[in-house]
Amino acid sequence: DQQVKQNSPSLSVQEGRISILNCDYTNSMFDYFLWYKKYPAEGPTFLISISSIKDKNEDGRFTVFLNKSAKHLSLHIVPSQPGDSAVYFCAASAAAGGGADGLTFGKGTHLIIQP
Amino acid sequence: EAGVAQSPRYKIIEKRQSVAFWCNPISGHATLYWYQQILGQGPKLLIQFQNNGVVDDSQLPKDRFSAERLKGVDSTLKIQPAKLEDSAVYLCASSSLGPYNEQFFGPGTRLTVL
Repeated sequence: DQQVKQNSPSLSVQEGRISILNCDYTNSMFDYFLWYKKYPAEGPTFLISISSIKDKNEDGRFTVFLNKSAKHLSLHIVPSQPGDSAVYFCAASAAAGGGADGLTFGKGTHLIIQP
Repeated sequence: EAGVAQSPRYKIIEKRQSVAFWCNPISGHATLYWYQQILGQGPKLLIQFQNNGVVDDSQLPKDRFSAERLKGVDSTLKIQPAKLEDSAVYLCASSSLGPYNEQFFGPGTRLTVL
Protein backbone atom coordinates (compact mmCIF):
# COMPACT_ATOMS: atom_id res chain seq x y z
CA ASP A 1 0.00 0.00 0.00
CA GLN A 2 1.65 3.18 -1.22
CA GLN A 3 1.30 5.94 1.35
CA VAL A 4 2.98 8.57 -0.83
CA LYS A 5 2.00 8.69 -4.49
CA GLN A 6 3.52 10.54 -7.40
CA ASN A 7 1.24 9.66 -10.28
CA SER A 8 3.28 11.23 -13.07
CA PRO A 9 6.37 9.15 -13.87
CA SER A 10 7.65 11.91 -16.15
CA LEU A 11 7.01 15.54 -17.03
CA SER A 12 8.40 17.59 -19.90
CA VAL A 13 8.49 21.40 -19.59
CA GLN A 14 9.96 24.12 -21.76
CA GLU A 15 12.85 26.13 -20.36
CA GLY A 16 11.64 29.32 -18.69
CA ARG A 17 8.14 28.00 -18.02
CA ILE A 18 6.70 26.74 -14.73
CA SER A 19 7.16 23.12 -13.68
CA ILE A 20 4.51 21.69 -11.35
CA LEU A 21 5.13 18.35 -9.69
CA ASN A 22 2.34 16.73 -7.71
CA CYS A 23 2.23 14.37 -4.75
CA ASP A 24 -0.62 12.76 -2.80
CA TYR A 25 -0.48 10.97 0.53
CA THR A 26 -2.84 8.74 2.45
CA ASN A 27 -1.42 8.61 5.99
CA SER A 28 -3.04 11.26 8.22
CA MET A 29 -0.13 10.97 10.67
CA PHE A 30 2.28 12.56 8.20
CA ASP A 31 3.04 16.10 9.29
CA TYR A 32 6.31 16.94 7.57
CA PHE A 33 6.90 16.83 3.84
CA LEU A 34 10.07 17.15 1.80
CA TRP A 35 11.11 17.25 -1.82
CA TYR A 36 14.38 15.71 -2.95
CA LYS A 37 16.09 15.99 -6.31
CA LYS A 38 18.18 13.14 -7.70
CA TYR A 39 20.69 13.04 -10.54
CA PRO A 40 21.86 9.68 -11.96
CA ALA A 41 24.50 7.89 -9.87
CA GLU A 42 24.10 10.38 -7.01
CA GLY A 43 22.15 10.28 -3.77
CA PRO A 44 18.99 12.38 -3.34
CA THR A 45 19.61 16.04 -2.51
CA PHE A 46 17.26 17.95 -0.22
CA LEU A 47 15.38 20.73 -1.99
CA ILE A 48 12.64 22.15 0.20
CA SER A 49 10.31 21.11 3.01
CA ILE A 50 7.05 22.11 4.65
CA SER A 51 5.45 21.26 7.96
CA SER A 52 1.73 20.67 8.28
CA ILE A 53 1.16 23.93 10.14
CA LYS A 54 1.91 25.83 6.93
CA ASP A 55 0.32 25.79 3.49
CA LYS A 56 3.18 27.32 1.56
CA ASN A 57 6.96 27.53 1.74
CA GLU A 58 9.15 29.38 -0.71
CA ASP A 59 12.88 29.22 -1.42
CA GLY A 60 14.09 31.09 -4.45
CA ARG A 61 12.65 29.48 -7.59
CA PHE A 62 11.06 26.66 -5.58
CA THR A 63 7.70 26.80 -3.80
CA VAL A 64 5.91 23.95 -2.09
CA PHE A 65 2.16 24.10 -1.48
CA LEU A 66 0.36 21.86 0.99
CA ASN A 67 -3.39 21.17 0.99
CA LYS A 68 -4.00 19.12 4.12
CA SER A 69 -7.69 18.54 3.54
CA ALA A 70 -6.95 17.04 0.11
CA LYS A 71 -3.76 15.30 1.34
CA HIS A 72 -1.98 16.85 -1.60
CA LEU A 73 1.21 18.79 -2.10
CA SER A 74 2.89 20.28 -5.11
CA LEU A 75 6.29 21.66 -6.00
CA HIS A 76 6.46 24.66 -8.32
CA ILE A 77 9.69 25.59 -10.09
CA VAL A 78 9.71 29.02 -11.73
CA PRO A 79 11.38 29.61 -14.09
CA SER A 80 12.50 26.13 -15.09
CA GLN A 81 16.15 25.78 -16.07
CA PRO A 82 18.04 22.98 -17.88
CA GLY A 83 19.84 22.04 -14.65
CA ASP A 84 16.47 21.24 -13.10
CA SER A 85 16.25 18.09 -15.25
CA ALA A 86 16.34 15.29 -12.68
CA VAL A 87 14.11 12.86 -10.79
CA TYR A 88 12.10 14.54 -8.02
CA PHE A 89 10.97 12.57 -5.00
CA CYS A 90 8.23 13.57 -2.62
CA ALA A 91 8.76 12.28 0.93
CA ALA A 92 6.82 12.42 4.17
CA SER A 93 7.31 11.67 7.85
CA ALA A 94 5.32 11.62 11.07
CA ALA A 95 7.78 13.89 12.82
CA ALA A 96 5.58 15.09 15.66
CA GLY A 97 6.32 11.88 17.55
CA GLY A 98 9.26 13.77 18.95
CA GLY A 99 12.24 12.29 17.24
CA ALA A 100 13.61 12.32 13.73
CA ASP A 101 11.60 9.88 11.67
CA GLY A 102 12.39 7.73 8.66
CA LEU A 103 10.98 9.08 5.42
CA THR A 104 8.33 7.47 3.22
CA PHE A 105 9.03 8.24 -0.42
CA GLY A 106 6.98 8.34 -3.59
CA LYS A 107 8.22 6.66 -6.76
CA GLY A 108 9.51 9.90 -8.23
CA THR A 109 8.79 12.09 -11.24
CA HIS A 110 11.38 12.49 -13.97
CA LEU A 111 11.39 16.18 -14.94
CA ILE A 112 12.80 17.00 -18.35
CA ILE A 113 13.42 20.65 -19.22
CA GLN A 114 13.36 21.20 -22.96
CA PRO A 115 15.52 24.03 -24.39
CA GLU B 1 31.36 20.31 5.57
CA ALA B 2 32.01 16.79 4.28
CA GLY B 3 28.94 14.86 3.15
CA VAL B 4 27.84 11.31 3.87
CA ALA B 5 30.43 8.83 2.61
CA GLN B 6 29.61 5.33 1.42
CA SER B 7 31.68 2.45 0.09
CA PRO B 8 31.90 0.57 -2.11
CA ARG B 9 30.07 2.45 -4.86
CA TYR B 10 29.38 -0.71 -6.85
CA LYS B 11 29.29 -4.39 -5.97
CA ILE B 12 28.47 -7.47 -8.03
CA ILE B 13 27.99 -10.80 -6.27
CA GLU B 14 26.34 -14.14 -6.92
CA LYS B 15 23.22 -15.21 -5.07
CA ARG B 16 23.84 -16.84 -1.70
CA GLN B 17 27.06 -14.84 -1.23
CA SER B 18 27.52 -12.26 1.54
CA VAL B 19 28.13 -8.55 1.14
CA ALA B 20 28.71 -5.58 3.43
CA PHE B 21 28.31 -1.85 2.92
CA TRP B 22 29.90 0.93 4.95
CA CYS B 23 28.63 4.41 5.78
CA ASN B 24 30.26 7.40 7.47
CA PRO B 25 27.66 10.06 8.33
CA ILE B 26 28.11 13.80 8.53
CA SER B 27 30.11 14.68 11.62
CA GLY B 28 27.87 15.34 14.61
CA HIS B 29 24.74 13.80 13.12
CA ALA B 30 23.16 11.58 15.75
CA THR B 31 20.66 9.86 13.48
CA LEU B 32 21.62 7.47 10.69
CA TYR B 33 19.36 5.69 8.20
CA TRP B 34 19.76 2.92 5.65
CA TYR B 35 17.40 2.89 2.66
CA GLN B 36 16.96 0.41 -0.17
CA GLN B 37 16.05 1.79 -3.59
CA ILE B 38 14.93 -0.75 -6.17
CA LEU B 39 14.96 0.41 -9.79
CA GLY B 40 11.89 2.51 -10.58
CA GLN B 41 10.91 2.92 -6.92
CA GLY B 42 11.52 5.49 -4.25
CA PRO B 43 13.91 4.74 -1.38
CA LYS B 44 12.47 2.46 1.31
CA LEU B 45 13.65 2.74 4.92
CA LEU B 46 15.38 -0.38 6.21
CA ILE B 47 16.71 0.75 9.59
CA GLN B 48 17.16 3.90 11.65
CA PHE B 49 19.76 4.44 14.38
CA GLN B 50 19.94 7.19 16.96
CA ASN B 51 23.49 7.30 18.24
CA ASN B 52 24.28 3.57 18.45
CA GLY B 53 20.77 2.38 19.30
CA VAL B 54 18.16 1.07 16.84
CA VAL B 55 15.04 3.27 16.63
CA ASP B 56 13.19 1.47 13.84
CA ASP B 57 14.06 -1.77 12.03
CA SER B 58 10.50 -2.86 11.25
CA GLN B 59 11.18 -3.09 7.49
CA LEU B 60 14.55 -4.84 7.74
CA PRO B 61 14.42 -8.50 6.55
CA LYS B 62 16.14 -9.76 9.66
CA ASP B 63 16.60 -13.31 8.39
CA ARG B 64 19.27 -12.05 5.99
CA PHE B 65 19.99 -8.39 6.70
CA SER B 66 21.85 -7.01 9.71
CA ALA B 67 23.20 -3.59 10.59
CA GLU B 68 25.24 -2.02 13.33
CA ARG B 69 26.46 1.42 14.18
CA LEU B 70 29.86 1.36 15.81
CA LYS B 71 30.32 3.84 18.66
CA GLY B 72 27.46 5.92 17.31
CA VAL B 73 29.37 7.02 14.20
CA ASP B 74 30.08 4.68 11.26
CA SER B 75 27.62 2.01 10.25
CA THR B 76 27.72 -1.24 8.29
CA LEU B 77 24.85 -3.03 6.57
CA LYS B 78 25.28 -6.71 5.78
CA ILE B 79 23.33 -9.13 3.62
CA GLN B 80 23.87 -12.85 4.17
CA PRO B 81 22.93 -14.72 2.02
CA ALA B 82 22.00 -12.43 -0.85
CA LYS B 83 19.03 -13.09 -3.12
CA LEU B 84 18.36 -11.87 -6.65
CA GLU B 85 15.69 -9.47 -5.36
CA ASP B 86 18.29 -7.69 -3.21
CA SER B 87 19.66 -6.01 -6.34
CA ALA B 88 19.18 -2.32 -5.58
CA VAL B 89 20.94 0.86 -4.56
CA TYR B 90 21.59 1.03 -0.82
CA LEU B 91 21.51 4.60 0.45
CA CYS B 92 22.80 5.85 3.76
CA ALA B 93 21.50 9.13 5.18
CA SER B 94 22.10 11.11 8.34
CA SER B 95 20.42 13.96 10.17
CA SER B 96 20.90 15.97 13.31
CA LEU B 97 18.55 15.45 16.27
CA GLY B 98 15.07 16.94 16.08
CA PRO B 99 11.87 16.08 14.25
CA TYR B 100 12.07 18.64 11.46
CA ASN B 101 15.56 18.17 10.18
CA GLU B 102 16.23 17.14 6.62
CA GLN B 103 18.19 13.99 5.91
CA PHE B 104 21.41 14.17 3.94
CA PHE B 105 22.10 11.25 1.63
CA GLY B 106 25.30 9.60 0.51
CA PRO B 107 25.89 8.57 -3.13
CA GLY B 108 24.72 5.00 -2.50
CA THR B 109 26.08 1.53 -3.23
CA ARG B 110 24.68 -0.18 -6.31
CA LEU B 111 24.39 -3.92 -5.64
CA THR B 112 23.87 -6.42 -8.43
CA VAL B 113 23.08 -10.01 -7.44
CA LEU B 114 23.55 -12.56 -10.26
